[in-house]
Amino acid sequence: DQQVKQNSPSLSVQEGRISILNCDYTNSMFDYFLWYKKYPAEGPTFLISISSIKDKNEDGRFTVFLNKSAKHLSLHIVPSQPGDSAVYFCAAVFSGTYKYIFGTGTRLKVLA
Amino acid sequence: GAVVSQHPSWVICKSGTSVKIECRSLDFQATTMFWYRQFPKQSLMLMATSNEGSKATYEQGVEKDKFLINHASLTLSTLTVTSAHPEDSSFYICSAGQQGSDTQYFGPGTRLTVL
Repeated sequence: DQQVKQNSPSLSVQEGRISILNCDYTNSMFDYFLWYKKYPAEGPTFLISISSIKDKNEDGRFTVFLNKSAKHLSLHIVPSQPGDSAVYFCAAVFSGTYKYIFGTGTRLKVLA
Repeated sequence: GAVVSQHPSWVICKSGTSVKIECRSLDFQATTMFWYRQFPKQSLMLMATSNEGSKATYEQGVEKDKFLINHASLTLSTLTVTSAHPEDSSFYICSAGQQGSDTQYFGPGTRLTVL
């Protein structure tokens, strides 16, 4: 039972345009969400997070939106850069448990 | 800040041998460390949660006698794959969390290949 899903395994975007990565979850008890970026043979790098009490969090080119009623979050990258090409994982966590449930990842390719 | 290291970064071993992987939090004390496993083109799967000074909590389906976890100090956790077999070949990643924060910081991972 996949509690956190990223239904798009891959995404290609032109440099300078917006990249939108989506993530859906099934358990309404998740109260903290994170996005990580991962290159092959490396550990994930933290990008941005959002608490369930918010619906938006912004950090530079990265913005995460949370729609609790739809159990959906998205990561917007604008403008996209070739260096953003990587696999992006969303993760959900029950606050205080420290236990992450990862999505299956979306491979983003930013075309120069 | 919040740097996590792993050693070795890659290891090749013969079937039947044991392999130890170290995970260190370099600039903070980690009361909790986590071990993940990632198969090619798949998600990170949590194997176990390691708490300093106590026994690790294993996820369902993970053999605790095969994947021995020790968290002897606030900056070091080790994962030992005992009697390794080719199906144990994978990318193992650790992470560490700081008390009071939900954010985990990941190590660079260890590629294990069992021949």
